[in-house]
Amino acid sequence: AQSVSQHNHHVILSEAASLELGCNYSYGGTVNLFWYVQYPGQHLQLLLKYFSGDPLVKGIKGFEAEFIKSKFSFNLRKPSVQWSDTAEYFCAVNAPPRNMLTFGGGTRLMVKP
Amino acid sequence: DSGVTQTPKHLITATGQRVTLRCSPRSGDLSVYWYQQSLDQGLQFLIQYYNGEERAKGNILERFSAQQFPDLHSELNLSSLELGDSALYFCASSVDGGLYTDTQYFGPGTRLTVL
Repeated sequence: AQSVSQHNHHVILSEAASLELGCNYSYGGTVNLFWYVQYPGQHLQLLLKYFSGDPLVKGIKGFEAEFIKSKFSFNLRKPSVQWSDTAEYFCAVNAPPRNMLTFGGGTRLMVKP
Repeated sequence: DSGVTQTPKHLITATGQRVTLRCSPRSGDLSVYWYQQSLDQGLQFLIQYYNGEERAKGNILERFSAQQFPDLHSELNLSSLELGDSALYFCASSVDGGLYTDTQYFGPGTRLTVL
C-alpha cells in the first residue's frame, strides 16, 4: 500500500515570499500525484496533477510541482505567495488501476499580509 | 463550487445512534467516493461506488456502509456511533471509476459531531 508524508505541518510566510511544500510518497510502482488545496471553510480543490510526461507540472493560481522519481518526491512551489493562499494543502497519490486517493497529513499555510 | 453536493452540512448526534449522509455527484459522473477527515487519522479513503456497484474499499469500519442509487446519488450510513466517529465526511465524484487518471471533485463535506 502506498503512503504519503508531508513533513511541514505548519508554515508561516510573509506575502511575496517563496513557497515550497514537501511531499514524499512510498510506493514501488507507478503512481499518479496530486496537490489539493482546502481554503478555510471550503471543499478540497485540485491545484495540479501529474500522470506522466514533463515532471514539472503547472497548476492553477501560479502553483507548480516537480516530480522527482529518484527521490519519491512531488514538492509544491510558488514563487511569490499572497495572503489569499492561506489554506491547507494536501498531497495525494493513487496507484493504478485504482482511483482511490491516499492523502498526506496536510500542511497549513498562513500568509501574513 | 465543484458541482458535488452533500447534505446535511452539520450533524450532531449521540453515541449509539445511526445517521445517513447524502451525496449527489456532478452531472454525468458515475463514480462516488467517500473520505473521512479527522484530526488523528487525517484524510482517509473509505469506499468507492461506480454506477451502483462497489468498486473499491478502504479503511471503512464494519459499522459503516454505503450504497449508490440508480440516480447515482450515494448515501453513507454510520451506525452505533462512537465519539471517535466525529469527523468531516467528504464525498467526491469522477466521470469514471476505472480510469485512475480521472480527477476527483470534492463536495463541501458533512461535519459529524458525536456527543
